[in-house]
Amino acid sequence: EIMMTQSPATLSVSPGERATLSCRASQSVSSSLAWYQQKPGQAPRLLIYGASTRATGIPARFSGSGSGTEFTLTISSLQSEDSAVYYCQQHNVWPRTFGQGTRVEIK
Amino acid sequence: EVQLVESGGGLVHPGGSLRLSCAASGFTFSNYVMNWVRQAPGRGLKWVSTISSGGGNTFYVDSVKGRFTVSRDNSKNTLYLQMNSLRAEDTAVYYCAKVIGYYGSGTYSEAFDLWGQGTMVTVS
Repeated sequence: EIMMTQSPATLSVSPGERATLSCRASQSVSSSLAWYQQKPGQAPRLLIYGASTRATGIPARFSGSGSGTEFTLTISSLQSEDSAVYYCQQHNVWPRTFGQGTRVEIK
Repeated sequence: EVQLVESGGGLVHPGGSLRLSCAASGFTFSNYVMNWVRQAPGRGLKWVSTISSGGGNTFYVDSVKGRFTVSRDNSKNTLYLQMNSLRAEDTAVYYCAKVIGYYGSGTYSEAFDLWGQGTMVTVS
């Protein structure tokens, strides 16, 4: 099983500042990496797939990068509505695995 | 409207059974691989199961193998999860999710681009 490790566990960022979230895979997942945003009481929402492609309707301030085992989600200018938990997920091999999540708080 | 709507959750005793349903609308259900993902209270997301578009191939996380069965009825645009021998650790919100599938100039992705609202299963 591929372990997905996200860091930090919690990130506190001021509005308008940059937020950088990391995701590391225990072995290569190529570019089969997705990022999801989940707000309290809601289902997850796809942000990024293929490690760097924004999903439909996702604002340009969200960007993804990386391949292999190291991935990054960047929120270039944090907005209040970006307060949420963010998960990475690999869909390269079975079983599919998610990271434990990074909580982004607005400072 | 493109959506997934889960149903069938509830309270069940340990060792009991439950069948979840996920009704799809607004897209050609039979073209897409479908998934179940669960989230225990206050915890993160955990993939549970995947079924191919035609239903011929299924995949499960080890902790549910032999107890859960995923299936689909493409004529009814519905995904199912039959859960038997339920345990307390199966308590979670269960989401169904659709994969992106083919996009652009033939690229394929199994990222989950459409999720239902979830249905709560409590084993106690």
